[in-house]
Amino acid sequence: AQSVSQHNHHVILSEAASLELGCNYSYGGTVNLFWYVQYPGQHLQLLLKYFSGDPLVKGIKGFEAEFIKSKFSFNLRKPSVQWSDTAEYFCAVTPGSGNTGKLIFGQGTTLQVKP
Amino acid sequence: NAGVTQTPKFRVLKTGQSMTLLCAQDMNHEYMYWYRQDPGMGLRLIHYSVGEGTTAKGEVPDGYNVSRLKKQNFLLGLESAAPSQTSVYFCASSQPLQLAKNIQYFGAGTRLSVL
Repeated sequence: AQSVSQHNHHVILSEAASLELGCNYSYGGTVNLFWYVQYPGQHLQLLLKYFSGDPLVKGIKGFEAEFIKSKFSFNLRKPSVQWSDTAEYFCAVTPGSGNTGKLIFGQGTTLQVKP
Repeated sequence: NAGVTQTPKFRVLKTGQSMTLLCAQDMNHEYMYWYRQDPGMGLRLIHYSVGEGTTAKGEVPDGYNVSRLKKQNFLLGLESAAPSQTSVYFCASSQPLQLAKNIQYFGAGTRLSVL
């Protein structure tokens, strides 16, 4: 069965520190990859996405992610975090083909940024 | 443009009671989804719909029913609520993969407690 694994469950950083959140998936075919963010008390918002092409994708608020096909990974990075980045981050995958659009989410990573 | 709207935002039920959660989207999306979010487990798909009048089971469908009588609405029903259904429920909608690569738009969530 397809699955998504986020290795960091709870990350605490100081402002200006660099961030990298791991995401691995298990699916052998073409995939579409997403990172969603959920700020406290808010709904999920799309942070960035990868469909094809350049494996390094840039999203909103200075976030970027790199797709490494050989490692089945899609890690999220940010060079310098801010207090406002405190949120829960979800990696998600959907097969590149198919017609249902079902997303498979990872368990989520809670990021706490200390001012 | 409201996007995806969920009602109610909060609800407390007693074991055995029934209720319906409403999801409405004004983006003319074909696909709609119901997820539940539990700590440490990410979002898990309950049921989904790829068009008006069609529904399908997701990863955790037991104890829930859904209906998609109108394209813009997707209802999630609990016939006999159980404490295990205490969760935060999210609705999402998207266009088919071919059109929009399954970028899902989420509602604000419904926090349900079953006592």
